Amino acid sequence: DVKVTQSSRYLVKRTGEKVFLECVQDMDHENMFWYRQDPGLGLRLIYFSYDVKMKEKGDIPEGYSVSREKKERFSLILESASTNQTSMYLCASNTLRAEAFFGQGTRLTVV
Amino acid sequence: QKEVEQDPGPLSVPEGAIVSLNCTYSNSAFQYFMWYRQYSRKGPELLMYTYSSGNKEDGRFTAQVDKSSKYISLFIRDSQPSDSATYLCAMISDDKIIFGKGTRLHILP
Repeated sequence: DVKVTQSSRYLVKRTGEKVFLECVQDMDHENMFWYRQDPGLGLRLIYFSYDVKMKEKGDIPEGYSVSREKKERFSLILESASTNQTSMYLCASNTLRAEAFFGQGTRLTVV
Repeated sequence: QKEVEQDPGPLSVPEGAIVSLNCTYSNSAFQYFMWYRQYSRKGPELLMYTYSSGNKEDGRFTAQVDKSSKYISLFIRDSQPSDSATYLCAMISDDKIIFGKGTRLHILP
């Protein structure tokens, strides 16, 4: 059974904190993605990575950075959390042009 | 013009009815198509993946792709209250995945 695992289901952080969201996949996929999902806005791509140590900006990278030191792990970093980063964060992975699988999501609240 | 258009709904249908969910797209480079089901506060779950025009069936679900019209559909037969969720279409071009905004579906018992 394919598996994408996000480290937390729910997080509450304070404004200005540095926040780490972790994602691990066990399918040996080359591609990994971070999205945020907000009501009425759908899924928006923050960053994606097509190989270890490689990253590409998505549509809304501002305020975020990523790290991919190992093929199975893709981390999203909020350098200084702000209230407008309160959202549902979703990690996904796939291999080239194949179906993508999602993690269970992390609901982040910044207060 | 948005790359992927999907009616947000909500769409309410009685239990047992056939449901039709649709997406249109503008980029002819899209060659691979997916449908996801997402329950509230959960991650999207892959339902169907297809890359050719025509129909693909899996149980009560049928995915239909018409590349000439740039139109994809998901049909749900014998709909159940447990099918109530948001359904997302998605398309792949090279390494990027583009999603529709999702259609909220309510199956009425």
